Amino acid sequence: GAVVSQHPSRVICKSGTSVKIECRSLDFQATTMFWYRQFPKQSLMLMATSNEGSKATYEQGVEKDKFLINHASLTLSTLTVTSAHPEDSSFYICSAKSDGGYTFGSGTRLTVV
Amino acid sequence: GENVEQHPSTLSVQEGDSAVIKCTYSDSASNYFPWYKQELGKGPQLIIDIRSNVGEKKDQRIAVTLNKTAKHFSLHITETQPEDSAVYFCAASTGNYGQNFVFGPGTRLSVLP
Repeated sequence: GAVVSQHPSRVICKSGTSVKIECRSLDFQATTMFWYRQFPKQSLMLMATSNEGSKATYEQGVEKDKFLINHASLTLSTLTVTSAHPEDSSFYICSAKSDGGYTFGSGTRLTVV
Repeated sequence: GENVEQHPSTLSVQEGDSAVIKCTYSDSASNYFPWYKQELGKGPQLIIDIRSNVGEKKDQRIAVTLNKTAKHFSLHITETQPEDSAVYFCAASTGNYGQNFVFGPGTRLSVLP
């Protein structure tokens, strides 16, 4: 089946620094990938839709200058949290559309101290 | 836009018993309804899905039913096992697998040995 690899699984960074999260489709090409944010004991909230070769589409209320998304190839999308602050601490999850539906990455636990 | 409700928020069952989780959606145009299982610290895993042209689908101990008229769908897990303990999310989307979909708030299932 389709596999989506997400790295890193955990990251701790200092307030004010930037963090990059990678999402790779390992055995299929994904023209579209999605980035979600999940707070403890809550559901997944779509942040943005990443389109290969074009600008990402952000959901209402998501700061595009803070959450930079790059989808430079058919197998890789990156999410960069810029000037991170403690309130950005969360679980970030990507997903990609394959022939079999939507496959999710294993998630990245971001802690900003 | 689409709104997905899910009940119950928590569910405890004895090992071997059945578990039922119910979801309702608001957008009559939705036609794809996946169910995901999420274990602690991991990304969601698709366990079963159903399209609007089907009323029921079964895969071993897991089944999903859909009532388009009433706009609700349910997940049924029979002969529950401790490893079924996780958070389960339903989702609804439009289109062929949908560009993106709306998740329900989740159900924390605990299977007691």
